[in-house]
Amino acid sequence: GQQVMQIPQYQHVQEGEDFTTYCNSSTTLSNIQWYKQRPGGHPVFLIQLVKSGEVKKQKRLTFQFGEAKKNSSLHITATQTTDVGTYFCGHGSGNTGKLIFGQGTTLQVKP
Amino acid sequence: GAVVSQHPSRVICKSGTSVKIECRSLDFQATTMFWYRQFPKKSLMLMATSNEGSKATYEQGVEKDKFLINHASLTLSTLTVTSAHPEDSSFYICSASGGAGLALDEQYFGPGTRLTVT
Repeated sequence: GQQVMQIPQYQHVQEGEDFTTYCNSSTTLSNIQWYKQRPGGHPVFLIQLVKSGEVKKQKRLTFQFGEAKKNSSLHITATQTTDVGTYFCGHGSGNTGKLIFGQGTTLQVKP
Repeated sequence: GAVVSQHPSRVICKSGTSVKIECRSLDFQATTMFWYRQFPKKSLMLMATSNEGSKATYEQGVEKDKFLINHASLTLSTLTVTSAHPEDSSFYICSASGGAGLALDEQYFGPGTRLTVT
């Protein structure tokens, strides 16, 4: 399946600072999904983007899908300690519903 | 809604033995279940896609005779790690999708099973 590259791998921020993780593909994606995995936990669905240039917001989280549908970003405004975890992007591959995940970005927030 | 359970949550077994992990969708019928493997601080690696009543589709590099998947009903899929070895030690996570009223592409993950082979 198509690989997606996610950067950065790790990010340490001070509480209150912003955070962004990027997901990039060399080919056009049909959709992009974002998941959050807390330390010791399992991935939890955050959102799905399907339209070119789509922007969706969930409180302090802003998700974007690029115009060319080859990249996506997740931006967190004014991070809190509860934002700690690993954020994965994933895209649907084929018509089986399977997801191919990026490498994930682990966010640490210092209080 | 859309809760997925896994059992056991943690298992320690001796090398050479087989281990069965169960994945259940508790409040919906999942048309498809997926099995992932995750190494520490690494991403989720899809192992196989499982549909009820049919053979699982394995990803490249995943040994189907090593990792047996059975999907007997719309709410239960099992993964059996046969003749486990220490290199099979990992975090195994299942997910389910396709329930009625749920977004087609959204996957609901189980809590995972940590397997340690000694």
